[in-house]
Amino acid sequence: DAKTTQPNSMESNEEEPVHLPCNHSTISGTDYIHWYRQLPSQGPEYVIHGLTSNVNNRMASLAIAEDRKSSTLILHRATLRDAAVYYCILSAYNQGGKLIFGQGTELSVKP
Amino acid sequence: EADIYQTPRYLVIGTGKKITLECSQTMGHDKMYWYQQDPGMELHLIHYSYGVNSTEKGDLSSESTVSRIRTEHFPLTLESARPSHTSQYLCASSLTGGSSYEQYFGPGTRLTVT
Repeated sequence: DAKTTQPNSMESNEEEPVHLPCNHSTISGTDYIHWYRQLPSQGPEYVIHGLTSNVNNRMASLAIAEDRKSSTLILHRATLRDAAVYYCILSAYNQGGKLIFGQGTELSVKP
Repeated sequence: EADIYQTPRYLVIGTGKKITLECSQTMGHDKMYWYQQDPGMELHLIHYSYGVNSTEKGDLSSESTVSRIRTEHFPLTLESARPSHTSQYLCASSLTGGSSYEQYFGPGTRLTVT
């Protein structure tokens, strides 16, 4: 399975944008880039996913590098409720939906 | 909001007991998964199912077993609980089709074996 590399932790101020980086230099052509987050004492929740083009949804934006070897999850205005561990995961379309979670980035948001 | 349920939420049990962790979803999802997560650590896939009567072992070896007799139900069983089984167990489901394979997670069962 292709690996991802994320910083262990990041800090943000409330109401400011947050850019969470992810490196995936061994990504293959069939790998989708998924982002999940896990709030304290809860199960993970889906945030966003993409293949080649940048993606936006109500929660966040996903910026994917042209060579697809890295991506950035963008939270446009961080709130205290966004404090969580954010996971960047690669999953091939033909792997039947299996996700391999790494360590993720622990995001703290200061008021 | 995800319609996936896990019971019990918390369980403290003695060594040697047989336990079953329940997981049910009402979304009609064909795929279901079990993950194990120790405090502060990453999630590890221990079992998954692509549909009724289909079960596979995940990437982390586990002494637990699973069954999938009904689409909506995916219980996990430990025949003889040991302290090393103390962990959080998370159930998830997803639907075949599309590109996202978005997984919906339950709230988890926190198991403590004394």
